[in-house]
Amino acid sequence: QLQLQESGPGLVKPSETLSLTCTVSGGSISSSGYFWGWIRQPPGAGLEWIGSISYSGSTYYNPSLKSRLTISIDTSRNQFSLKLSSVTAADTAVYYCARRGGGRPIDYWGQGTLVTVSS
Amino acid sequence: DIQMTQSPSSLSASVGDRVTITCRASQGISNYLAWFQQKPGKAPKSLIYGASSLQSGVPSKFSGSGSGTDFTLTISSLQPEDFATYYCQQYSSYPLTFGGGTKVEIK
Repeated sequence: QLQLQESGPGLVKPSETLSLTCTVSGGSISSSGYFWGWIRQPPGAGLEWIGSISYSGSTYYNPSLKSRLTISIDTSRNQFSLKLSSVTAADTAVYYCARRGGGRPIDYWGQGTLVTVSS
Repeated sequence: DIQMTQSPSSLSASVGDRVTITCRASQGISNYLAWFQQKPGKAPKSLIYGASSLQSGVPSKFSGSGSGTDFTLTISSLQPEDFATYYCQQYSSYPLTFGGGTKVEIK
């Protein structure tokens, strides 16, 4: 059974960079045809797609975050990562990592991790 | 970007009720529409893909329909475990976008 697990600091200061890693177990992140992505959910609000990366490293970013966003993949560690720079309180959210197949929607989600932006 | 509009934003229903949630896309997305269920403090759970195909393990009381711009999620007989927030999502084009959610509460 595929499992995804987010990890990273739960508290980030304003103007700094938020960094999260998603570790995939029970399957290979190098499997062709899959995309690995990030979704966030501010407290009490809905879901926002952040971006995705393919097994080969092609990236797809939400235009609203693109200027601050980097998603990368490390196939040797079966991990992919998110970096969001110049954060503000508006970036406070639960961050989920997830998998989707080509032409298919998300089928596996991580449990989510709360990141708070505060000094 | 394709905007996804769900209605209603919340509803109250009783156990055993039939519940229908609608989702409208701002432009045609064929059948590239998914539905997710989220319970408080939990990650969303995938219910339906391709507008009407059930994910593995999802009970048949859930059904989806629609194509183009108008879609529905129906729960045939609401059970206590179904009280949750439901989201639609289009995956026709980037950026992927979600509806605002429909909270299903106990009457």
